[in-house]
Amino acid sequence: QLQLQESGPGLVRPSETLSLRCDVSGGSITSYGYNWAWIRQPPGGGLEWIGTIYYSGSIFYNPSLQRRVTVSLDTPRNHFSLKVTSVTAADTATYYCAGARLGYCSGATCYSLDNWGQGTLVTVSS
Amino acid sequence: QLTQSPSFLSASVGDRVTITCRASLGISDYLAWYQQKPGKAPKLLIYAASTLQSGVPSRFSGGGSETEFTLTISSLQPEDFATYYCQQIKTYPLTFGGGTKVGIK
Repeated sequence: QLQLQESGPGLVRPSETLSLRCDVSGGSITSYGYNWAWIRQPPGGGLEWIGTIYYSGSIFYNPSLQRRVTVSLDTPRNHFSLKVTSVTAADTATYYCAGARLGYCSGATCYSLDNWGQGTLVTVSS
Repeated sequence: QLTQSPSFLSASVGDRVTITCRASLGISDYLAWYQQKPGKAPKLLIYAASTLQSGVPSRFSGGGSETEFTLTISSLQPEDFATYYCQQIKTYPLTFGGGTKVGIK
């Protein structure tokens, strides 16, 4: 069973860069049938997908964040990372990393987020 | 875009509860449902609109296709009071519905 754990600073100053890491245990991030995602949730709010990375190197970002976001894989260390530049108070949220498992929808492949980290609260404040 | 209704519902233990998720464009069965309890990460309940994730109780069921989907809890249990989200998994950007909070009547 995969386990994911986020780590990183809980407080980031406005205009600086938010950096988080997600350590994956119980399996390899190069495993066939998985991709890796970041999702965030502002206090009292709903879920917002940030981005997804495949082992193949394909990366997809939320257009609303694309100019400021980078998701990357570190295969030797079995973790993946998130960077968000030029943060503001609107970036204050609980950030989750998740593994999306390959399944089948209408006979074609689809991925659903079946393994989540516990989440880490990041506050943007001076 | 995904629109969930209602945003909030109150129900009693043993009630049958149905939550609706509407998509602005047809997405076939590329839909997942998640349950989130306060202070916890979301948990996958259903994918491909109606396939129950391993370990999820059979009182949960999903249905629908294209633009209208439902999540039904056949007999609400105390541990089911939570917020439920739908997510389309057909195209990027992935999107979530706004959530439905199920509270105690």
